[in-house]
Amino acid sequence: GDSVTQMEGPVTLSEEAFLTINCTYTATGYPSLFWYVQYPGEGLQLLLKATKADDKGSNKGFEATYRKETTSFHLEKGSVQVSDSAVYFCALPDSGGSNYKLTFGKGTLLTVNP
Amino acid sequence: EAGVAQSPRYKIIEKRQSVAFWCNPISGHATLYWYQQILGQGPKLLIQFQNNGVVDDSQLPKDRFSAERLKGVDSTLKIQPAKLEDSAVYLCASTFGSNEQYFGPGTRLTVT
Repeated sequence: GDSVTQMEGPVTLSEEAFLTINCTYTATGYPSLFWYVQYPGEGLQLLLKATKADDKGSNKGFEATYRKETTSFHLEKGSVQVSDSAVYFCALPDSGGSNYKLTFGKGTLLTVNP
Repeated sequence: EAGVAQSPRYKIIEKRQSVAFWCNPISGHATLYWYQQILGQGPKLLIQFQNNGVVDDSQLPKDRFSAERLKGVDSTLKIQPAKLEDSAVYLCASTFGSNEQYFGPGTRLTVT
C-alpha cells in the first residue's frame, strides 16, 4: 500500500540555520504530496503542497520539490526561526482517488534555539 | 471563516470507562475524518464520513469505538470501554471535495 517515510527526529537547530527534512514515498501513480505542520498544542495545518512531478510547493519560506525520479518531497528552509519550532508531517492521499484519505509519516520534531 | 471545532480539549478517564468527543466541521464541508494520533506517530485515520454516511471505517476498532454524524454536520466519536492504549490525541478534520484537509485542535485523551 501507499506509505511515507520521514527522517527521524528530533532535529535541533540554531536560529538562521538551514533546514532539510527528508521525505520519501511509495505510491501508485503520481499523487499530490503535502507537508503539514503542528505547532505545540494545536491541530495540523497545511504548510505546502505539490500536485504533480517537478512542482515546487512553497509557503512561509519553506519549499519542497516533487521529484518522481527519487520519489521524494524533501522540506527545506534557508533560515529557520524560533517560531518554526513544531512537528512536521509529510503526507500523501490514498491512491484510490476519490476518498481523499491521507497517509502521514511519523512526523519530525523541529526545535529552533535562539 | 470559523475553523474545525472540537471539544473537550483534554480528558482524563480510568480504563474501562467511556468517553465521547465532539466535532463541528467547517460549514459546508461534506467530508469529515476522525484520526488517532499516538505520541510520536503520525495521525492514523479511524473513520471517514461523506455527509452522514460512512466511507471508510476499516481502521476503527469496532468492538469499542463508534462514531456517528447525524444530519451530515456535527460528529461524535465514542470509546466504550477505554483501554490504556487508547491514550492519544483525537483529531477531527474536514474537507470539501479535495485533498486539502482542515484540522481541529484535537482532544488529548489520557487513560489511567
